[in-house]
Amino acid sequence: GESVGLHLPTLSVQEGDNSIINCAYSNSASDYFIWYKQESGKGPQFIIDIRSNMDKRQGQRVTVLLNKTVKHLSLQIAATQPGDSAVYFCAEGDTGGFKTIFGAGTRLFVKA
Amino acid sequence: DVKVTQSSRYLVKRTGEKVFLECVQDMDHENMFWYRQDPGLGLRLIYFSYDVKMKEKGDIPEGYSVSREKKERFSLILESASTNQTSMYLCASSLWTSGSYEQYFGPGTRLTVT
Repeated sequence: GESVGLHLPTLSVQEGDNSIINCAYSNSASDYFIWYKQESGKGPQFIIDIRSNMDKRQGQRVTVLLNKTVKHLSLQIAATQPGDSAVYFCAEGDTGGFKTIFGAGTRLFVKA
Repeated sequence: DVKVTQSSRYLVKRTGEKVFLECVQDMDHENMFWYRQDPGLGLRLIYFSYDVKMKEKGDIPEGYSVSREKKERFSLILESASTNQTSMYLCASSLWTSGSYEQYFGPGTRLTVT
């Protein structure tokens, strides 16, 4: 079956630095991609999404880049803060929005 | 804000017991989902529902069933709990609008089967 994977299981960054979380996907037919953030004891929370017809999308302090040639997705967090410490999941989905496939997650540690 | 609530945060059951996990959303969303989350495996879809009384199997439906009698409520049923069903269970809902596939998640139920 199709899978969404992550290059690194953990990432440690200094407060104030930029963070880059990477993700590889295998289904070239996926129509959209989403990043979720999961804090300890909580369910995942939507951060940002991007459609397959785009290669970049920006939000507040976050940017998602999509490289369809190499099937790679990344989440960039600017000026990382302690509150950004969490597990980040990338996910890919079909056009109906029903079957979303999640990656294993990357744990981000922010050092003060 | 969308609110998705789950009936229990922690649950301990014995092997062979029938287990009910309840999920309620308050934003009139058509779509509801049940996932299980295990370390290193991310979230895996068990079942989803796109309307009242409608259900579709996800990637790992074996050993589970669901019920959606009302739009706001989606129940996950473990007919005969087994130890390999010890996991974190997450419920989510979504509203299909143009350009957005965002799912709203509940806080999760950590189920332990002994």
